[in-house]
Amino acid sequence: GAVVSQHPSRVICKSGTSVKIECRSLDFQATTMFWYRQFPKQSLMLMATSNEGSKATYEQGVEKDKFLINHASLTLSTLTVTSAHPEDSSFYICSARDPRPRVDTQYFGPGTRLTVL
Amino acid sequence: KNQVEQSPQSLIILEGKNCTLQCNYTVSPFSNLRWYKQDTGRGPVSLTIMTFSENTKSNGRYTATLDADTKQSSLHITASQLSDSASYICVVSPGYGKLTFGQGTILTVHP
Repeated sequence: GAVVSQHPSRVICKSGTSVKIECRSLDFQATTMFWYRQFPKQSLMLMATSNEGSKATYEQGVEKDKFLINHASLTLSTLTVTSAHPEDSSFYICSARDPRPRVDTQYFGPGTRLTVL
Repeated sequence: KNQVEQSPQSLIILEGKNCTLQCNYTVSPFSNLRWYKQDTGRGPVSLTIMTFSENTKSNGRYTATLDADTKQSSLHITASQLSDSASYICVVSPGYGKLTFGQGTILTVHP
């Protein structure tokens, strides 16, 4: 099956710093990628939809200036958490839409654990 | 409002036993329903995907069913293994739009 990777798998940073998370589709071109965050014992919450070559669409309540998304190529989207604070600590998961199957198919990355001290 | 409800919230079974997880949804339009397995600290991994016309889909020891009339789905796990301990998430897709996630069922398999 298709593979989506994320880097880094975990990151610990100091409050006030910025952190960049990469999401790559390894064997297909993804015009659309999605960013989710997940708190313990909760399901995934969509943060934003990232379309290659255009601005991301953010969900209600998600600060676009706080969570910068760049989808510069068909295989790479990045999420930058700017001026991170402890409340930003979470599990961030990306997914990539595979355009090849007849049925809408998304593949999830392995996730990035962000801890802000 | 689109919703996916899963039951039970958590389940503990002994290794080797079978179990069935439930998913009820009110999502419109409906394109397909997927079951994912999510290990702790990992991303979700797809187990099955079913469209409107499919009633059942198997993947090894996992068998999913779909009743599009009653908007219910189940995931049956046969001969459970310790490695089956995970969160199982039911996800409904409207097609090329936002996915609606269930809260998940946390399955714990004890030796």
